[in-house]
Amino acid sequence: GNSVTQMEGPVTLSEEAFLTINCTYTATGYPSLFWYVQYPGEGLQLLLKATKADDKGSNKGFEATYRKETTSFHLEKGSVQVSDSAVYFCARRTGADGLTFGKGTHLIIQP
Amino acid sequence: KAGVTQTPRYLIKTRGQQVTLSCSPISGHRSVSWYQQTPGQGLQFLFEYFSETQRNKGNFPGRFSGRQFSNSRSEMNVSTLELGDSALYLCASSRDSAPPPYEQYFGPGTRLTVT
Repeated sequence: GNSVTQMEGPVTLSEEAFLTINCTYTATGYPSLFWYVQYPGEGLQLLLKATKADDKGSNKGFEATYRKETTSFHLEKGSVQVSDSAVYFCARRTGADGLTFGKGTHLIIQP
Repeated sequence: KAGVTQTPRYLIKTRGQQVTLSCSPISGHRSVSWYQQTPGQGLQFLFEYFSETQRNKGNFPGRFSGRQFSNSRSEMNVSTLELGDSALYLCASSRDSAPPPYEQYFGPGTRLTVT
């Protein structure tokens, strides 16, 4: 079936460090891929998306590239800030199916 | 443009009771999906409604049901509540105009506690 696997953390980094959060997905169908972010006490916010192989999604300094050959969609940011502390979810969706989410990665940025 | 709104934000119910949660999608969005978020199971898809019809359904028991009205607003109902139904219930809406992907935008959620 459809599944998404991501590192769960918590991931603790110092401010201005480089961030990578790994995400892999099952290759069933031709999924679109997403990263969502959830701040404490809030719902999910769409961070970025990619719809086909080699697409790069980017937003707010974050980026991720749809890698079909490795079935991956790793999230990266060159210099993290304390305000980036949140839980990040990788997700896939095929057509109009429901989103399939990873377990979420708790990111903690220390000043 | 107003985002997805959910009411109520917090709810406490007793085992065996039933509950109804409400969701108003972003204006112009015709699809509404519901998700359950728990610490143990993470985010799980419940069902999706489009033009008042259930289009997709996740793997949840029949105690979980929903409906969508002609103005695209949606409600979900959980009957005979169990302790394990305690969760954050998230609603998401999308425009669903071709082509995909149909980006989903989430509301703040309803925190349900079953005692």
